[in-house]
Amino acid sequence: GQNIDQPTEMTATEGAIVQINCTYQTSGFNGLFWYQQHAGEAPTFLSYNVLDGLEEKGRFSSFLSRSKGYSYLLLKELQMKDSASYLCACLDSNYQLIWGAGTKLIIKP
Amino acid sequence: GAVVSQHPSWVICKSGTSVKIECRSLDFQATTMFWYRQFPKQSLMLMATSNEGSKATYEQGVEKDKFLINHASLTLSTLTVTSAHPEDSSFYICSLNGGGVDHEQYFGPGTRLTVT
Repeated sequence: GQNIDQPTEMTATEGAIVQINCTYQTSGFNGLFWYQQHAGEAPTFLSYNVLDGLEEKGRFSSFLSRSKGYSYLLLKELQMKDSASYLCACLDSNYQLIWGAGTKLIIKP
Repeated sequence: GAVVSQHPSWVICKSGTSVKIECRSLDFQATTMFWYRQFPKQSLMLMATSNEGSKATYEQGVEKDKFLINHASLTLSTLTVTSAHPEDSSFYICSLNGGGVDHEQYFGPGTRLTVT
């Protein structure tokens, strides 16, 4: 079956760095997304990786290893507004999105 | 990117009534839209794929007669929750593919449905 695993909850300190991991097993693979979702709001796009390696975009970076079925989202210089859920999702061979359950990130002052 | 709106953003209805949720693409013609449901502290669950001019494709376990989807134009898809019950209370979100090489999905702001 298809499965995406990510930690349920993480806590970090304002100004610090946090890495959110995601492992996946899907029927085919056409890329991996990270979305940010604040409580009561729709998800917003953060990144898309389809090739191995690190993609950097400001304070956020996303890494992919297809051979390991693994990705991480790296958040630097954490701000209180980064408190949200972070969703990992994969595009399978039918270009259907398979969603992880999300990681709730709590930022403390 | 594409701009997607939903209406209403918040609705409370009585058990047994029906509720219609609209999803509009404001600047993009979408032949396909997606409807998701999200319960508290859970991830998005794809309910169905809405296809313009044809029947929607429902995911396993989603009752097509209860969740009626109509995609009459390239900019509008509607989801009607018929005979709503308290267990249908959830956050309903629509999305569409922007058509870019990164396959980014653009989400509507969501509709919070509470059935009393």
